Amino acid sequence: DAKTTQPPSMDCAEGRAANLPCNHSTISGNEYVYWYRQIHSQGPQYIIHGLKNNETNEMASLIITEDRKSSTLILPHATLRDTAVYYCIVRVASGGSYIPTFGRGTSLIVHP
Amino acid sequence: GAGVSQSPSNKVTEKGKDVELRCDPISGHTALYWYRQSLGQGLEFLIYFQGNSAPDKSGLPSDRFSAERTGGSVSTLTIQRTQQEDSAVYLCASSYGQLAAGYTFGSGTRLTVV
Repeated sequence: DAKTTQPPSMDCAEGRAANLPCNHSTISGNEYVYWYRQIHSQGPQYIIHGLKNNETNEMASLIITEDRKSSTLILPHATLRDTAVYYCIVRVASGGSYIPTFGRGTSLIVHP
Repeated sequence: GAGVSQSPSNKVTEKGKDVELRCDPISGHTALYWYRQSLGQGLEFLIYFQGNSAPDKSGLPSDRFSAERTGGSVSTLTIQRTQQEDSAVYLCASSYGQLAAGYTFGSGTRLTVV
C-alpha cells in the first residue's frame, strides 16, 4: 500500500483557509486518497476522499494533482474547532484485505 | 446504533489484572479494526476482522492481547496481566469493506494501568 508523508504541524489564523498537504508518490491507479481528523480525546473522523478529481463537501475540499502524487486538504474558513490532527491515507476502492495505516498526521492549530 | 460504540469509556485497573474492552460496530459493517493510541502518538494497528475470515492478528504486541468477534458483530479485546505500558486509548473502527467507504471510529476506551 502506498505510504503518505505529511508535515508534523501547521498553524492557521481563524477565518483564513487552511491548506494541508500530503505526498503519496507511490500511489497506484486504484487507490483513493482519504482524509481524517482527530480532535483531542475523540476517535478519528472521516472528512473526505477522492480518486483523481477534486472533491468538495460541507467540511472541506480535496485537491489532487494531475499525477496523483500529492493532494491538499483545504478548510476554506478555519475555525478554532478545526484544531486537530489531520491524517491522510490511501487505500484501494474495494475488496481484499486492507488495514489503514495512520501515521503521526499533521497537527493543525487554528489561532484567534 | 448510528455509530460505533465502545465501552467502557474509561477503565482504571491494577497492574496484573485482566481487562475486557467492548466494541459495537455499525450494523452491517463487515470489517472491524482495533487500534491503540498512546499519549501524543499515532494510531497503532492491533487486529482486523473481515466477515467470516480468520482475523489478522499481526499487530498484537504480545500474547497477553487477544480479541474475538462474535456473530460478525460485537468484538471484545482482552488484555491479560495488564502492564503499565498497556495504558493507552483503545480505538475501534468499522467499515463496509467492499465499497470505497470511510471508516467510522468509536470514541475509544481510555485504559490506565496503575
